[in-house]
Amino acid sequence: GAVVSQHPSRVICKSGTSVKIECRSLDFQATTMFWYRQFPKQSLMLMATSNEGSKATYEQGVEKDKFLINHASLTLSTLTVTSAHPEDSSFYICSARVRKWGTDTQYFGPGTRLTVL
Amino acid sequence: GEDVEQSLFLSVREGDSSVINCTYTDSSSTYLYWYKQEPGAGLQLLTYIFSNMDMKQDQRLTVLLNKKDKHLSLRIADTQTGDSAIYFCAEKSAQGGKLIFGQGTELSVKP
Repeated sequence: GAVVSQHPSRVICKSGTSVKIECRSLDFQATTMFWYRQFPKQSLMLMATSNEGSKATYEQGVEKDKFLINHASLTLSTLTVTSAHPEDSSFYICSARVRKWGTDTQYFGPGTRLTVL
Repeated sequence: GEDVEQSLFLSVREGDSSVINCTYTDSSSTYLYWYKQEPGAGLQLLTYIFSNMDMKQDQRLTVLLNKKDKHLSLRIADTQTGDSAIYFCAEKSAQGGKLIFGQGTELSVKP
């Protein structure tokens, strides 16, 4: 299957700082990537859809100025959590959409654990 | 609106079969998926089924789709302790390929 990586896997930062998380498709090109947030023992909450070369589409209730998404190439999307606060602490997971041979699937990265002190 | 429901817990003994059930509401979904998540990790795509299929088998995994009842199930044969994880059912939304996830079923396999 397709491989998606995320970096960093864990990050601890002070309140008020910004944190950038990278999502890469390693062996394929992805015009569409997705960013999710997951709270402990809960399902995934879609934050935004990242399209290469265009602006991200944010889900209702997600602040676009708080969570900046850049999809500058076909293999890289970044999520920047600006002016992070303790309530932003969460597990952030990205996925990349693969459409080929009549299939449509999403492959997920391993996730990034963000802790804001 | 689109909604996906799963039971939260399932406990089985090693060697038994596990059946995880899921219901969804969007009858126009073209794809339905099963993902596995181990603690602290991302989601691993286990299998998917196209909406015009009733069944798909892949080694120990069998997916059954009842489109009339909007019911999807995942059967794991000869369940092992390594199968302990959270299993998510998801449907592909008609809007831009988004996935709508269920709450996840925590499968516990006892030796």
